[in-house]
Amino acid sequence: DVKVTQSSRYLVKRTGEKVFLECVQDMDHENMFWYRQDPGLGLRLIYFSYDVKMKEKGDIPEGYSVSREKKERFSLILESASTNQTSMYLCASTPKQGMRQPQHFGDGTRLSIL
Amino acid sequence: AQKVTQAQTEISVVEKEDVTLDCVYETRDTTYYLFWYKQPPSGELVFLIRRNSFDEQNEISGRYSWNFQKSTSSFNFTITASQVVDSAVYFCALSEYLTGGGNKLTFGTGTQLKVEL
Repeated sequence: DVKVTQSSRYLVKRTGEKVFLECVQDMDHENMFWYRQDPGLGLRLIYFSYDVKMKEKGDIPEGYSVSREKKERFSLILESASTNQTSMYLCASTPKQGMRQPQHFGDGTRLSIL
Repeated sequence: AQKVTQAQTEISVVEKEDVTLDCVYETRDTTYYLFWYKQPPSGELVFLIRRNSFDEQNEISGRYSWNFQKSTSSFNFTITASQVVDSAVYFCALSEYLTGGGNKLTFGTGTQLKVEL
């Protein structure tokens, strides 16, 4: 089974801090994704990566950056956290085999910015 | 732009009732995939089913069934004889091919299903 592991289930940070959310997958997947989930808005794509050192903006990239130095690891960075970034963050991965592959998700990180 | 609409925000049913979750999508692509995911209270999204745009055959898996109708751009999900363990948020998603391979998903806003005793 594919395993996508997010480093923290719950995280509390302060406004202005630099925040790192880590995601690791163990199935050698090429594609990795970061979403945020908010009530009434569903999942919205922040950034994705289809290869090491490659990144693409999703629908809501403002205030975020990402890093993919190794194939198995995809990091989401909040450069200067703000209260409107309080949310549930979900990481996902999928192989590079066309549209039919389902994305596999981690358990999520519930981030609170105070 | 792609869009997925789940008009039902929250549905409450009594155990053993049948329930249908609606999903309507918009896309200009001729080839695409649709997915349903379940998110229990624990938070992890669990993949349930996928359907490609050329296959309109309905599918049944145990108590779950899916009705894909391309003519109305709908991909509805029915749970027969619902159980308390079915309580979760259900998401419908539409794929978009990535030039680098794999897919990008557009999600609906989800339907919270509550099954009570």
